Amino acid sequence: DAKTTQPNSMESNEEEPVHLPCNHSTISGTDYIHWYRQLPSQGPEYVIHGLTSNVNNRMASLAIAEDRKSSTLILHRATLRDAAVYYCILRDVGGKLIFGQGTELSVKP
Amino acid sequence: NAGVTQTPKFRVLKTGQSMTLLCAQDMNHEYMYWYRQDPGMGLRLIHYSVGEGTTAKGEVPDGYNVSRLKKQNFLLGLESAAPSQTSVYFCASSYRMRDSPLHFGNGTRLTVT
Repeated sequence: DAKTTQPNSMESNEEEPVHLPCNHSTISGTDYIHWYRQLPSQGPEYVIHGLTSNVNNRMASLAIAEDRKSSTLILHRATLRDAAVYYCILRDVGGKLIFGQGTELSVKP
Repeated sequence: NAGVTQTPKFRVLKTGQSMTLLCAQDMNHEYMYWYRQDPGMGLRLIHYSVGEGTTAKGEVPDGYNVSRLKKQNFLLGLESAAPSQTSVYFCASSYRMRDSPLHFGNGTRLTVT
């Protein structure tokens, strides 16, 4: 199973952009990169996913490095409601999905 | 559309008791997962299933059994509960495609005394 590495924690100020990095140097050519977030006392929720090209949706943007060995989740304007643990995982052809420790994002007013 | 429903939401067990956690999804998903989450920790995969009648071990399968007799249901059993199994349990499901997102339930908080 390909592994991902994320910083344990990050801080941001409200209304500012946040860039959450993820390293996945052992990614295979067919692995999709998925991001989830977990708000306090809730189950994880899907944020965004991508394969090679950068992706945008209403929640965030995903920037994928050209060699695919890293990616960055971008929150364009952080709000207090974005304070959560963010997980980057790789989805391959099998069913096994392993989560890492994630990055705990705190947002200061 | 209910999505992923976990039953029960809370449970307190005594050491040695048994119980079954039920996960039901109404999205016709092929894949289903059971994770546990301890305080301050990430999610750890217990068991998963890639289709009706199939199950496979995850990272921390010891002390748990699972069954997937119907496509929509994935059951997690604790035959003899131990205090180390005190945790929040999350079920998730998805289509089998690699670009399919996981849908999570709201969790079951289990305390074993």
